[in-house]
Amino acid sequence: GAGVSQSPRYKVAKRGQDVALRCDPISGHVSLFWYQQALGQGPEFLTYFQNEAQLDKSGLPSDRFFAERPEGSVSTLKIQRTQQEDSAVYLCASSLEAGVSYGYTFGSGTRLTVV
Amino acid sequence: QQQVKQSPQSLIVQKGGIPIINCAYENTAFDYFPWYQQFPGKGPALLIAIRPDVSEKKEGRFTISFNKSAKQFSLHIMDSQPGDSATYFCAASKRGFQKLVFGTGTRLLVSP
Repeated sequence: GAGVSQSPRYKVAKRGQDVALRCDPISGHVSLFWYQQALGQGPEFLTYFQNEAQLDKSGLPSDRFFAERPEGSVSTLKIQRTQQEDSAVYLCASSLEAGVSYGYTFGSGTRLTVV
Repeated sequence: QQQVKQSPQSLIVQKGGIPIINCAYENTAFDYFPWYQQFPGKGPALLIAIRPDVSEKKEGRFTISFNKSAKQFSLHIMDSQPGDSATYFCAASKRGFQKLVFGTGTRLLVSP
């Protein structure tokens, strides 16, 4: 596709429920990033993939958060046993090049609300 | 610990005015400083970026001013238009690192 596609756009989860958020990057983009954006805040880095390899997961807030990109294209961010503090917009970005912080294209995000 | 401090939190200017948004950083290892624009319900989009070897960069109506000694950089929007009303984020990254560190954002409103 022409841009980064994320689904679902909105997700309401009951506290304790597991959720899975999907990201379809731009075709051919090597790098894929996940960011978390709390209401009224800037995005915060969660994790980075280069092709299928997860090279940096330093931003994942707890072991309830897990991300994968098994074939080097589509990625899934999974949150287990959701808590109210997980409520945020989850942004995915992709970049053509590896190992750089420029050239990001962000998707429109998934807004997760935990009730 | 906030590595990039952004101000003001919100800003209102009249059409044609020149809003200025400021950011400051502490980490001297940062070497890439982009500005992103975000509309409601959309992801951030890159506006303009600068590296510390230059003091100013212009792209269209957008200008970044960079002061390496003060560890500050700012975004100026010339001849602002109502369509520029959005939230603006500064960010920074270190050479060899892929992740961006974002400021807290400035909500800009340009009145007609």
